[in-house]
Amino acid sequence: RKEVEQDPGPFNVPEGATVAFNCTYSNSASQSFFWYRQDCRKEPKLLMSVYSSGNEDGRFTAQLNRASQYISLLIRDSKLSDSATYLCVVNPYYTGGFKTIFGAGTRLFVKA
Amino acid sequence: EPEVTQTPSHQVTQMGQEVILRCVPISNHLYFYWYRQILGQKVEFLVSFYNNEISEKSEIFDDQFSVERPDGSNFTLKIRSTKLEDSAMYFCASSDMTGGNEKLFFGSGTQLSVL
Repeated sequence: RKEVEQDPGPFNVPEGATVAFNCTYSNSASQSFFWYRQDCRKEPKLLMSVYSSGNEDGRFTAQLNRASQYISLLIRDSKLSDSATYLCVVNPYYTGGFKTIFGAGTRLFVKA
Repeated sequence: EPEVTQTPSHQVTQMGQEVILRCVPISNHLYFYWYRQILGQKVEFLVSFYNNEISEKSEIFDDQFSVERPDGSNFTLKIRSTKLEDSAMYFCASSDMTGGNEKLFFGSGTQLSVL
């Protein structure tokens, strides 16, 4: 099983739609979880951290389910500018070191 | 806003040559990383560095790779004898681990092309 697994998509949605991405991780000892966004040929940029209680930042909502080792990202009222690849990111502290692992990403295309 | 800077933005080299990729992390950050991304593929962890030593490294980070923080500000990745398959975008990142929360801030990358 991959350390971090995501549906690669692509997701093609119209402007204004709500879209959800899922991610699973293999190591139950993982401590920190994030969603990053990556535009084509650019560096990943932090979108939001993911907490057990769930957290919201404007149109974006992230959820963590530790029991199922599952992370989600919900985007409401999609904008054209949301078109990007969304990366699920996990920090598995089990190694005792610092090793942040990226999923392969889910591509989103928002159409006018 | 503080940022991670990487130089050069593009590097072209011949197979077998040594390259050094340079990064200046955010000044108050203590944790440093190198990642690479082959075109069309995922962001892959190479190495993390803390307290002047390697914290973790991946299987990719073999004896051909080394990292150094020579002067307290720069953080470098050296590839001793480049191979064609080393062609990729190399990203440097840093974090401060405030509250144990490891948010990474990335530089804009060095595109390495090995011919």
